[in-house]
Amino acid sequence: NAGVTQTPKFQVLKTGQSMTLQCAQDMNHNSMYWYRQDPGMGLRLIYYSASEGTTDKGEVPNGYNVSRLNKREFSLRLESAAPSQTSVYFCASSGSPRGDQPQHFGDGTRLSIL
Amino acid sequence: QKEVEQDPGPLSVPEGAIVSLNCTYSNSAFQYFMWYRQYSRKGPELLMYTYSSGNKEDGRFTAQVDKSSKYISLFIRDSQPSDSATYLCASISGGYNKLIFGAGTRLAVHP
Repeated sequence: NAGVTQTPKFQVLKTGQSMTLQCAQDMNHNSMYWYRQDPGMGLRLIYYSASEGTTDKGEVPNGYNVSRLNKREFSLRLESAAPSQTSVYFCASSGSPRGDQPQHFGDGTRLSIL
Repeated sequence: QKEVEQDPGPLSVPEGAIVSLNCTYSNSAFQYFMWYRQYSRKGPELLMYTYSSGNKEDGRFTAQVDKSSKYISLFIRDSQPSDSATYLCASISGGYNKLIFGAGTRLAVHP
């Protein structure tokens, strides 16, 4: 049972470099999400995709772009990385974008930007 | 004011103790309430999922929601060292809205 798979697990970038974080789920879920987790801040939503073909901004979208490639895959791109984007990034998926189905998370990508 | 408030701890208890973890929320529209457990260097794992007010029990874990006071609780009975983790509460309304997390409480259960 893979659930939600994120790659890579770790990455170090230099300021200004670009990178794409990959996420895939095998639960046939409609909705997918990207969060960042920082100490003392909890999980904050960056972008989400309620269903295949749609994406919407979350709480902290600046500096990021997303692509819902198909029902299984949802990628997060940093076009020009900044030290403030050093964080742990989590992808999640759920059966629906409403609260009636819970979100399930991957194990994260730890990203450091120097 | 954050929509979901949670004491970050840390909370340290001896093995076998009853643990009480709590959150408060401000949004009256919240209808679904979750507890996630997060081990170090892992993603949040869904522990309990409840709708509206009331109690839900699963083994040693009991989730309690009091919508009148906007209070969410998680009780862990007979706590074990393997329960040492960060516990995150989260809430969402029934519509197309975002899941709001508390900051998490770090729990350590020592033998």
